[in-house]
Amino acid sequence: QVQLQQWGAGLLKPSETLSLTCGVYGGSFSGNYWSWIRQPPGKGLEWIGKINHRGSTNYNPSLKSRVTILTDMSKNQFSLKLSSVTAADTAVYYCASGDSEDTQHYWGQGTLVTVSS
Amino acid sequence: QSVLTQPPSVSAAPGQRVTISCSGSSSNIGNNYVSWYLQIPGTAPKLLIYENNKRPSGIPDRFSGSKSGTSATLGITGLQTGDEADYYCGTWDSSLSAYVFGTGTNVTVL
Repeated sequence: QVQLQQWGAGLLKPSETLSLTCGVYGGSFSGNYWSWIRQPPGKGLEWIGKINHRGSTNYNPSLKSRVTILTDMSKNQFSLKLSSVTAADTAVYYCASGDSEDTQHYWGQGTLVTVSS
Repeated sequence: QSVLTQPPSVSAAPGQRVTISCSGSSSNIGNNYVSWYLQIPGTAPKLLIYENNKRPSGIPDRFSGSKSGTSATLGITGLQTGDEADYYCGTWDSSLSAYVFGTGTNVTVL
């Protein structure tokens, strides 16, 4: 059973870069897809992007210019960077994984990121 | 703005059955598998259904999924108070090259 544990800074100022990391326990990077998803307070889920074990990425078109997702296979981790944050980026951020593009089987616990001056 | 449309809320009495619809297009539901997720407020979403109608280990058979054309449906039978939550559909959109979620449906047990 795959378990995802995520961490990162929870309070940012406008224009700073959001940085989160997700550790993968009990599973392998090979053959899987690794995603980041966010949920603004009181709103629905928004997919940010994904990376596969070969390092190939896809990003939400609305966030593409500011997002970078990377893997560190030596540590069984993947990470999210979102640049030039604004208050609109305030949300709970989740890491997730699946063995296909159309399913998020496993989810991290979530990290509340607040952007405020 | 989500490309998958769900009703904002559904409700029924304990023991009854509810269905939640998820409407999309040929670029998403029409040509890809649909998943369903349950989210209790304040917690991470949890996979309920994948590949249109398959249940992960531990999900009771009270939950079922189906797909027809560009729409999908989640069914919950024998409704329990513990089923009160938000439910989301999701799938890959081949035109956007992005994963898309539905607008979400809140289930209330009367």
